[in-house]
Amino acid sequence: KNQVEQSPQSLIILEGKNCTLQCNYTVSPFSNLRWYKQDTGRGPVSLTIMTFSENTKSNGRYTATLDADTKQSSLHITASQLSDSASYICVVNRQTGANNLFFGTGTRLTVIP
Amino acid sequence: DTGVSQNPRHKITKRGQNVTFRCDPISEHNRLYWYRQTLGQGPEFLTYFQNEAQLEKSRLLSDRFSAERPKGSFSTLEIQRTEQGDSAMYLCASSLATGTGGETQYFGPGTRLLVL
Repeated sequence: KNQVEQSPQSLIILEGKNCTLQCNYTVSPFSNLRWYKQDTGRGPVSLTIMTFSENTKSNGRYTATLDADTKQSSLHITASQLSDSASYICVVNRQTGANNLFFGTGTRLTVIP
Repeated sequence: DTGVSQNPRHKITKRGQNVTFRCDPISEHNRLYWYRQTLGQGPEFLTYFQNEAQLEKSRLLSDRFSAERPKGSFSTLEIQRTEQGDSAMYLCASSLATGTGGETQYFGPGTRLLVL
């Protein structure tokens, strides 16, 4: 069964601290993996996209990793800011089929001053 | 702004009423998707269009739901005889499918529906 699981479900950190969000998937055949940031009441916005051959990709203070062998990905946020408070959703794209996106339930991150 | 737009952004309605939402995708995108998202959950696929053709519908899309994309550009999602369980955020996304797979879906801001 194609699934995407994220952990933790929610996380509270102090401003300026780092954190890491996890994503495990069983989607096959794998095409790519994206991390989306979704602010409350808004649509998801893509942060990074990882293909099979990529292990690490950075976008500012966001760094995503991918281990295609173990089917795990992480999103590391450094020097967190209050504006990082949002839900972070892991989305895995399967190679075949048109409706081929599989969404995790997200990690709700709250950054407090 | 050339992103995906959705209208209205918020809708409050009474149970039993019909509602219609509109999505305007990025202009050159040929695929358009509708998702439903409840609090604390990831988006759930409802249906998608390639140009004007509706190619797939989720089992979540009951008979009360209908979607159209008449000219292959904007799309509408109608819910008839709304129920309280229909309360959710309805997200629209669009993408440019080139046949090689893995295209990026760009999401709109969503329409938040509250059924009283």
